[in-house]
Amino acid sequence: QVQLVESGGGVVQPGRSLRLSCAASGFTFSNYGMHWVRQAPGKGLEWVALIWYDGTDKYYPDSVKGRFTISRDNSKNTLYLQMNSLRAEDTAVYYCARDKGLQYFEWGADYWGQGTLVTVSS
Amino acid sequence: QSALTQPPSASGSPGQSVTISCTGTSSDVGGYNYVSWYQQHPGKAPKLMIFEVIKRPSGVPDRFSGSKSGNTASLTVSGLQGEDESDYYCSSYAGSNNLLFGGGTKLTVL
Repeated sequence: QVQLVESGGGVVQPGRSLRLSCAASGFTFSNYGMHWVRQAPGKGLEWVALIWYDGTDKYYPDSVKGRFTISRDNSKNTLYLQMNSLRAEDTAVYYCARDKGLQYFEWGADYWGQGTLVTVSS
Repeated sequence: QSALTQPPSASGSPGQSVTISCTGTSSDVGGYNYVSWYQQHPGKAPKLMIFEVIKRPSGVPDRFSGSKSGNTASLTVSGLQGEDESDYYCSSYAGSNNLLFGGGTKLTVL
C-alpha cells in the first residue's frame, strides 16, 4: 500500500536551517509529482513546494521562495525539503503528498504522510 | 496570491444535505477545472474527497459531490452522518504552477 513517512522535524532557532525527508513506498515514486504542504497550529493548509516526477522542475509560493528548496532522489524513493533562514511563521506541521497525476500534475493530492512538526523558536 | 474563501463553519442534522462554498477568481477556480476538496479530522492528515471539480476517488462515498459555477466551487455532502463532522478544505490550481488552498470550513453534524 502507498506510504509516505516524513521525518526531520524539530525545534530550531530563527535564522537556522532544517531538512525534512519523506520516504515513499508502495508505488513507483519516480512516476509522480510531489508536494510539500504545511499547516500552522490551528490554521489552514498552505502549499509550500512542488517537484516534477523527474525532478526537472520545482515551484514555490512567494512566502518561501528563495528560502526553501525541494528535491528528490528517485533511486532512494525519497523527497526532501531544505528550509533555510527559518522564521517563527514557518512553525507548522509539514506534510508530503503525492499528486494524483501520472507523470503530470492533476493538482490533487491523493496520498499524504502523517506530517512532521517544525517549531521555530528561540 | 490570496487564499480561496470558504465559510468558517457549516452545519446540518443527520440525513440532511449541506453545501460548502469555495470562492476564488477567474485566475484560479474560474480558470481551471482543477479544484479539489479534502477532509481533515483533528490530528490527522487530509484526505482527498473530490478532484477535478466533480470526480471522486475510489472509496469515497457518493454522498460527497462537487460542482463549480463561475469562480465558486462547492462541495455537497448528502445524507449527513456523524462521521462527516470534520474540517474541509478546497484547493485550486492558480496558474504558473501554483496551488491555492481555502481557509477551511468546520462542518458540524448537529
